[in-house]
Amino acid sequence: GENVEQHPSTLSVQEGDSAVIKCTYSDSASNYFPWYKQELGKRPQLIIDIRSNVGEKKDQRIAVTLNKTAKHFSLHITETQPEDSAVYFCAASISPDTGFQKLVFGTGTRLLVSP
Amino acid sequence: NAGVTQTPKFRVLKTGQSMTLLCAQDMNHEYMYWYRQDPGMGLRLIHYSVGEGTTAKGEVPDGYNVSRLKKQNFLLGLESAAPSQTSVYFCASSHGGFRGDTEAFFGQGTRLTVV
Repeated sequence: GENVEQHPSTLSVQEGDSAVIKCTYSDSASNYFPWYKQELGKRPQLIIDIRSNVGEKKDQRIAVTLNKTAKHFSLHITETQPEDSAVYFCAASISPDTGFQKLVFGTGTRLLVSP
Repeated sequence: NAGVTQTPKFRVLKTGQSMTLLCAQDMNHEYMYWYRQDPGMGLRLIHYSVGEGTTAKGEVPDGYNVSRLKKQNFLLGLESAAPSQTSVYFCASSHGGFRGDTEAFFGQGTRLTVV
């Protein structure tokens, strides 16, 4: 069925370290993979996304990699800062029989960056 | 530019009561969605709409109804609230479906408690 698995559920790092969050998806037709950041009590906000025709995308300290063969994609945050502390959600587009592509979200990773 | 606005922000209901959550967007987006967010379960799609006058079921539609009478508004109704519907509800909108060329914008969320 339609499924996106996300690991780890919690991640604690020291300021300046790197953080990696991994997701796997089940629908081979998925072609859009966004990452959202949600600060406590706030709405999810898109931080980076990648399409299936690209293997890697970078934006300053964050990067996303995609392995279509293995059906997994990862978020990489380098030089972490305390303000990176939040819950991060991965998502994958799913194409049901209706033809409408919808997003299925992972269960989230709570990232804590300690000073 | 307000983006996506949800009303109300908080609500406490008694079991069996009904209520309607309102989502309004001012970006002229065709697509609108209702998600619920529960601890450890990420964001799950309740219902969605691909345009004015259309609605469709998502992953967890039971117990909810929706209407999209105007392009800018997407209403989520609970006819007979149950404690299992205690959750944070997020509305989102996007210009198109998730085909890799559009971003979803989320509202600020509605925290609903059913006692």
